[in-house]
Amino acid sequence: NAGVMQNPRHLVRRRGQEARLRCSPMKGHSHVYWYRQLPEEGLKFMVYLQKENIIDESGMPKERFSAEFPKEGPSILRIQQVVRGDSAAYFCASSPGGYNTEAFFGQGTRLTVV
Amino acid sequence: GESVGLHLPTLSVQEGDNSIINCAYSNSASDYFIWYKQESGKGPQFIIDIRSNMDKRQGQRVTVLLNKTVKHLSLQIAATQPGDSAVYFCAERTSGSRLTFGEGTQLTVNP
Repeated sequence: NAGVMQNPRHLVRRRGQEARLRCSPMKGHSHVYWYRQLPEEGLKFMVYLQKENIIDESGMPKERFSAEFPKEGPSILRIQQVVRGDSAAYFCASSPGGYNTEAFFGQGTRLTVV
Repeated sequence: GESVGLHLPTLSVQEGDNSIINCAYSNSASDYFIWYKQESGKGPQFIIDIRSNMDKRQGQRVTVLLNKTVKHLSLQIAATQPGDSAVYFCAERTSGSRLTFGEGTQLTVNP
């Protein structure tokens, strides 16, 4: 059973371009979480999704950021018109859902905006 | 608001000693807690979890203690090894919602 798969592992974008980060959850997991981590800091929650639904997006910036988890395929975190402040590691976690189940993380995508 | 914090940003121990990493949380409604280990350049790795109806849980070389009275969580690592060097995060969850992470403690194990 493969773990949470994120791609790409490293992504370089110029200011103003779009960044698309992908997350394939573990098999059987229908809940996905996205977190952002700046160097030397903790993980900051961004968004929580279930298949085809956004459950909690309270950590998402109001502009330029969006996320989806379609019925088929990976979850996508999309950042439009990237700025240097978007440079960070973005982690995805998945869980099977249910009451108090652990979440497993992918290896992250390291976004660098130049 | 909710917050999860750690008492010490860094902890340095000698190989073979026991390590204790602490965590304070402020949301008394949180009912599930997880400790994660994050090595440089990698994603967080699940270590151990505990539900709020428990006050202690043991794993292999690790023990998590939960004190709901003072909203305190700790991770004890027995016979710490160089491979234990990493950043350790506690995370809390309020039923049905997302995980909230603390800022992390950097554990360094000296040979």
